[in-house]
Amino acid sequence: GQQLNQSPQSMFIQEGEDVSMNCTSSSIFNTWLWYKQDPGEGPVLLIALYKAGELTSNGRLTAQFGITRKDSFLNISASIPSDVGIYFCAGLNAGNNRKLIWGLGTSLAVNP
Amino acid sequence: EAQVTQNPRYLITVTGKKLTVTCSQNMNHEYMSWYRQDPGLGLRQIYYSMNVEVTDKGDVPEGYKVSRKEKRNFPLILESPSPNQTSLYFCASSLSLGLAGSDTQYFGPGTRLTVL
Repeated sequence: GQQLNQSPQSMFIQEGEDVSMNCTSSSIFNTWLWYKQDPGEGPVLLIALYKAGELTSNGRLTAQFGITRKDSFLNISASIPSDVGIYFCAGLNAGNNRKLIWGLGTSLAVNP
Repeated sequence: EAQVTQNPRYLITVTGKKLTVTCSQNMNHEYMSWYRQDPGLGLRQIYYSMNVEVTDKGDVPEGYKVSRKEKRNFPLILESPSPNQTSLYFCASSLSLGLAGSDTQYFGPGTRLTVL
C-alpha cells in the first residue's frame, strides 16, 4: 500500500535539544495528522492540520501543513525524557477514495 | 471515559487455532479500523469499516476477517492463524473519515499476538 516518506527513521538526542521530523508524499493530502506512540501503548493524536500553510502548536510541539499539500513537519522544542517514543505522520488523501496513509514512524530517544 | 478497548491484551496461540480479538468503542464512532504493527513496517491497515455492515479491505487483509454488526464493536477474526501473523494489533475508531475535525483516530491499547 501507499506510504509516506517519513524522516529521520530514528533520532538520539540530548535533553533540551530541539527536534525536527518531516513527512513527504507524491500525492496531495487534505489532512495531516501527527501521532505519538509511547512504549507499550497505542498512538495518540498530537496535532491535526487541515489547511495548506497552516501552522499549529500544542505546547512544545509545532507542526505545519506544507504549501504544496505534499509535506508536513513536526518540531519539538526543548526536548525532555518523556518525549521518548515513536512519532507517526498520517495523511488523508484528496478525492473520493478516502484513505489514511501512514508514515513508518520516527523513533525518538532522549538522553537525560 | 471515552475509549477504545481491546481484548485480550496478550495472546499466545498455536498455528491453526481460530481466535478472535474484540474491539469496542463507546464514542458512537462510525469509522473503525484494524492495524498491525511490525518492526520497521509502521502501522499497516488490515480492514476498516465505514459504518455498520460496511467493511472493506485495507493493505494487508489476507488471513483475517472482520464483522460490524453493531456500531460499537469490530472484532478481528483469524480463522487459521499462522506464525507470520505474530504481531502487535491495534483497533482504532473515529467519528468519520474525511470530514475535517472528525477523522481523528482514537487507538486501543493494543493486542500482542504470538502464533507458535
